[in-house]
Amino acid sequence: GAVVSQHPSWVICKSGTSVKIECRSLDFQATTMFWYRQFPKQSLMLMATSNEGSKATYEQGVEKDKFLINHASLTLSTLTVTSAHPEDSSFYICSARENIGQGNSGNTIYFGEGSWLTVV
Amino acid sequence: AQSVTQPDIHITVSEGASLELRCNYSYGATPYLFWYVQSPGQGLQLLLKYFSGDTLVQGIKGFEAEFKRSQSSFNLRKPSVHWSDAAEYFCAVVGSGNTGKLIFGQGTTLQVKP
Repeated sequence: GAVVSQHPSWVICKSGTSVKIECRSLDFQATTMFWYRQFPKQSLMLMATSNEGSKATYEQGVEKDKFLINHASLTLSTLTVTSAHPEDSSFYICSARENIGQGNSGNTIYFGEGSWLTVV
Repeated sequence: AQSVTQPDIHITVSEGASLELRCNYSYGATPYLFWYVQSPGQGLQLLLKYFSGDTLVQGIKGFEAEFKRSQSSFNLRKPSVHWSDAAEYFCAVVGSGNTGKLIFGQGTTLQVKP
């Protein structure tokens, strides 16, 4: 199947600094990517939908100024956690929708390996 | 509103035994359904998907799932579980509005006894 790669897999940063996580679709183009946050032993919480060439759509309760999303190309979306605090420590996962033909609902969605963020 | 329910939070089976993980969805139109598996500390791997056609779909690692519209279910099955199947399993449906957003169930943790 298609491959989505996230980098870095692990990152530790100091409180107050910013950290960027990259999400790449390696062998397909993705006009839409999604960013999730997952707490231990819980399901995934959708943070935002990243659209290539336009602004991201954030879910209710997600601070867009804190979680900056950029989708500059058809294969790359980035999530920047600005002024990180310990409560931002979490597992962040991206996914990418494979564009195949007409319509969108039936397209397969592939996930990255996830990125562990620890803010100290 | 669309929703996905995985009634079993935790399941333990013996190695070699059969497995069925339940998934029920609430969706007005034809659903697009997925099963993903997540090993500890890792991302999600697609096991199988249902878009249309044959209601019994085959996936990777010997898994299969059956779409039953009358029961609003998409249960995941495997005839003989291996120890390496121990993981978290998520059922998901694509939400409405043609956005491609996934709505996830709560997940089912599978433990495999030797």
